[in-house]
Amino acid sequence: GQQLNQSPQSMFIQEGEDVSMNCTSSSIFNTWLWYKQDPGEGPVLLIALYKAGELTSNGRLTAQFGITRKDSFLNISASIPSDVGIYFCAGQSDSGGSNYKLTFGKGTLLTVNP
Amino acid sequence: KAGVTQTPRYLIKTRGQQVTLSCSPISGHRSVSWYQQTPGQGLQFLFEYFSETQRNKGNFPGRFSGRQFSNSRSEMNVSTLELGDSALYLCASSLTGYSYNEQFFGPGTRLTVL
Repeated sequence: GQQLNQSPQSMFIQEGEDVSMNCTSSSIFNTWLWYKQDPGEGPVLLIALYKAGELTSNGRLTAQFGITRKDSFLNISASIPSDVGIYFCAGQSDSGGSNYKLTFGKGTLLTVNP
Repeated sequence: KAGVTQTPRYLIKTRGQQVTLSCSPISGHRSVSWYQQTPGQGLQFLFEYFSETQRNKGNFPGRFSGRQFSNSRSEMNVSTLELGDSALYLCASSLTGYSYNEQFFGPGTRLTVL
């Protein structure tokens, strides 16, 4: 089946630093999504990307849909303590009746030291 | 307005038993998707229901089943539980069943199989 390789697995940074994480796939995706999950809660959508080359920002977050459609990255600028959590990428390649049939990366655990 | 609610939040079962998990979507939402989250496999799509019909399913054995009622509430059932079924089961609801921006996750049900 499809797999997403997300890296790094974890990051420990100082408040104010910028963060970058990425996902790569062996197959093409039509949509790339980035989520954040806090302990005890479900994932929350941060950014959705719909076409190759697209660069989208949401506050201090910026994500890009790779030109090859096989990768995506997420940048967080000027990190703050509340950025702590697990960040997931997800791709969607074949709706087959459901847009929500997603393939997820294993996540990046971000720790921010105040 | 109330978010997605899942009951129970925690559940302990033994191998061979069956379990039913419940998801109440946001009022007015017609789509409910289910996902399994484990440390090893990450988040995996189980199935999606829209207007009481299953629109797609992931690569899980037939022991995993679900249904949706006319009020959009959904249940998933796992029969003949195995140790590997221990996971956080997340459901997500959306209004139209197409947009990622309108899909919201519940906090999950933590299932432990002993």
